[in-house]
Amino acid sequence: RKEVEQDPGPFNVPEGATVAFNCTYSNSASQSFFWYRQDCRKEPKLLMSVYSSGNEDGRFTAQLNRASQYISLLIRDSKLSDSATYLCVVDSSYKLIFGSGTRLLVRP
Amino acid sequence: GAGVSQSPSNKVTEKGKDVELRCDPISGHTALYWYRQSLGQGLEFLIYFQGNSAPDKSGLPSDRFSAERTGGSVSTLTIQRTQQEDSAVYLCASSSSPRDTQYFGPGTRLTVL
Repeated sequence: RKEVEQDPGPFNVPEGATVAFNCTYSNSASQSFFWYRQDCRKEPKLLMSVYSSGNEDGRFTAQLNRASQYISLLIRDSKLSDSATYLCVVDSSYKLIFGSGTRLLVRP
Repeated sequence: GAGVSQSPSNKVTEKGKDVELRCDPISGHTALYWYRQSLGQGLEFLIYFQGNSAPDKSGLPSDRFSAERTGGSVSTLTIQRTQQEDSAVYLCASSSSPRDTQYFGPGTRLTVL
């Protein structure tokens, strides 16, 4: 079993749609959780950290359920520029464990 | 300020040759990480440096892989006797201290023919 599991997608949605990604992780000792965004042939970039109480950054909302070891990302009012691969990331001490990513395609 | 830089951006080599990949972290960042991303796969941790020492080399896939860091700054990842399965994008990241946000460089795309 992978340490961080994500649905690979792709999710193909129209502009303006709301889309949600989910992720599960296996290490109950993990302390920090993130969503990174990776554009084609580019390096991953931090989208947002995920906090236990849930957090929002503009159109993006992240949730964490420690009991279920489950992380989610909600994107509202999708833009064409949101098309990318979204990586669920969990820390294991100092190193990051990445999921394989969920690909999002936003169409006009 | 300047972000993490890596060189070369692309490297094509023949099977059996040695390659060196370089990473310049963000100035002042004490922690440095190497990851590898194979085609269609997630990122795989290779090695972590705190200062010049590497407390965790557990991700290095074989003894053909080695890395060093000098002066608490630049790091080089060396792959000896490259194999086709070594083809991947090698990404370097740095953070101001362990467990702080990691910032990634643009990567080196290695192709072993």
